[in-house]
Amino acid sequence: SQTIHQWPATLVQPVGSPLSLECTVEGTSNPNLYWYRQAAGRGLQLLFYSVGIGQISSEVPQNLSASRPQDRQFILSSKKLLLSDSGFYLCAWRQTYEQYFGPGTRLTVT
Amino acid sequence: AQKITQTQPGMFVQEKEAVTLDCTYDTSDPSYGLFWYKQPSSGEMIFLIYQGSYDQQNATEGRYSLNFQKARKSANLVISASQLGDSAMYFCAMREGLRDYKLSFGAGTTVTVRA
Repeated sequence: SQTIHQWPATLVQPVGSPLSLECTVEGTSNPNLYWYRQAAGRGLQLLFYSVGIGQISSEVPQNLSASRPQDRQFILSSKKLLLSDSGFYLCAWRQTYEQYFGPGTRLTVT
Repeated sequence: AQKITQTQPGMFVQEKEAVTLDCTYDTSDPSYGLFWYKQPSSGEMIFLIYQGSYDQQNATEGRYSLNFQKARKSANLVISASQLGDSAMYFCAMREGLRDYKLSFGAGTTVTVRA
């Protein structure tokens, strides 16, 4: 069966510090992968998606970037965090129609 | 313009009763899909049910059913026989077209089930 992992689970970072969030999927190959962000009490906003290694599409201009160095690995990064980057970050993979989400990373920028 | 609209920020329902969560959508693409996800306080997003735009019958998954009214562009979720564990945030989402499978989410509805 397929499993999606995200780490870390929680993170507190100062403004201006770098960021690296990792997502890995097990039990499938060449999945479509997605990064979403959820502000407190709000719906999810798509940030990036990838249909294959090295292929990244950005949905929203922002302070973040994404990379896919391996088939089942998706990384969300920032060189300098802003206060507005705080939120709940969710990674997802697609199986046929539906997307399945990881447990998420709660990021607080102070 | 908002692609997905959920007009009910919060709802209370008595245990064992049914509850309907509203969702309207906006798209000009003839091929699309509608999804409902549940988000408990733990934060995980749990896939509940899917309805394709060409599906003739309303989708059902256990106690969940999707009331799909294409002409009205609505895709309401019905939860029958509510349980305490159904207390959560519920999100309606839409996928447009058949490429990339990107999802647009609504703002969500908080459901609280009372004993």
